[in-house]
Order: sequence, then structure tokens, then C-alpha cells
Amino acid sequence: EVQLVESGGGLVQPGGSLRLSCAASGFTFDDYALHWVRLTPGKGLEWVSGIKWNSGSVVYADSVRGRFTVSRDNAKNSLYLQMSSLRVEDTALYYCARDKYSSPNYYFDYWGQGTLVTVSS
Amino acid sequence: DIQMTQSPSSLSASVGDRVIITCQASQDISNYLNWYQQKPGKAPKLLIYDASNLEPGVPSRFSGGGSGTDFSFTISSLQPEDIATYYCQQYDNLPSFGPGTKVDI
Repeated sequence: EVQLVESGGGLVQPGGSLRLSCAASGFTFDDYALHWVRLTPGKGLEWVSGIKWNSGSVVYADSVRGRFTVSRDNAKNSLYLQMSSLRVEDTALYYCARDKYSSPNYYFDYWGQGTLVTVSS
Repeated sequence: DIQMTQSPSSLSASVGDRVIITCQASQDISNYLNWYQQKPGKAPKLLIYDASNLEPGVPSRFSGGGSGTDFSFTISSLQPEDIATYYCQQYDNLPSFGPGTKVDI
């Protein structure tokens, strides 16, 4: 059974940093691209970032480019999102999602349950 | 950026009703469109990919159609377990989602 389990969310002040993790199991991790997608009450679902199976290609939404960094460790079956210069508008439930393909093609076929990030003073 | 709109934003229907949701893209996206279902407190689930292809394991009462800028999603006979919010998502360029349609019974 495919499982994606996010962790690392919490309360952080504006301008602060946070690192999210996603632990994967139930599939061959390095066969697939992975993504971060967030859910906010105001904006709904927003794709954040994606990474190729071998980390050879990473892509970001304009809203986070230059502030967020996606990475993966295939030996640990884990995906990460380093978030810095956080803003109030980054407050969201952050999901880890698997792509159907090894490169980002944006078919999100499995999702985790999400980890909540709250940016507030 | 490609903007996605959905209509209606919410609907209420009876068990057994046919439900249709529409999704419109701000520019031609061919058939690069997916549909997701999100039940309260749960992660989204991929139902339809490439506008009209049913994801394995998804009941056949769900279907999708359209191309270019105009797309539709249909539940042929609404069931109680279909209470959810439904999102379209384009992937012609960097992906973006529609605002969602909340379906109630």
C-alpha cells in the first residue's frame, strides 16, 4: 500500500524557517517524481514544488521560488521542503504527493494526509 | 499563468441525481486536465486524468470530457459517499487548480 506521511509543520513567526519531511513507503521511491501541494481556506489547492526521481530537475511555483527548496533522499525514501522567509500567506496544510511519472508531469496519484504550517506573530 | 474556473461553486442534489460540474481554462490546454475528489478531513484523490480517463479503481459513475478550454465532470448517479469537494487541475504548463465545487446531498 502506498503511504506518504508528512511531518515538520508548526507555528512559526513571519520571516522564520521550517523544514517539512515526507516519509514514503509501499512503492519504489526512486521510480517517481514527487511534489508539494498546499491547501488554504482562501486560495484552495496550490501546487508548490516538484522534483524529478533523481533530483535532476526541480520546479517551483512563482509564489515560493527563491524562498523554498525541495530535495529528496532516495536512500531514506524521503522528500523534504525547506521553507525560509515565511509569510503569513504561506499558512496552509502542506501535502506530499506522488506523480504518476519519474519526471514532473503533474498527475498527483497519491497524497499524504498533510502537515499544518501556521505563520503568525 | 493559466487560470481555472469552476461552476457551480457548490451544489446540493439528491441520491441518484446526475451531477455535472464544469471547468474552464483561461487558455487552450488541450486535454491536460485532471479531476480530484477531496472528502472532509481527507487527502485529495485522483479520479480522472487527461480529461476523460478514469483512474483505476474509480467507479464508472464518474466521467469527464472536453478539450481546449471547456471541460466537464459528471457523476451519473450521485451516491451518499460522493459528498466531497471536486477540483479540476490543468498541467499544460506549471499546474494550477480550480477553486473547487462542493457537492452536498
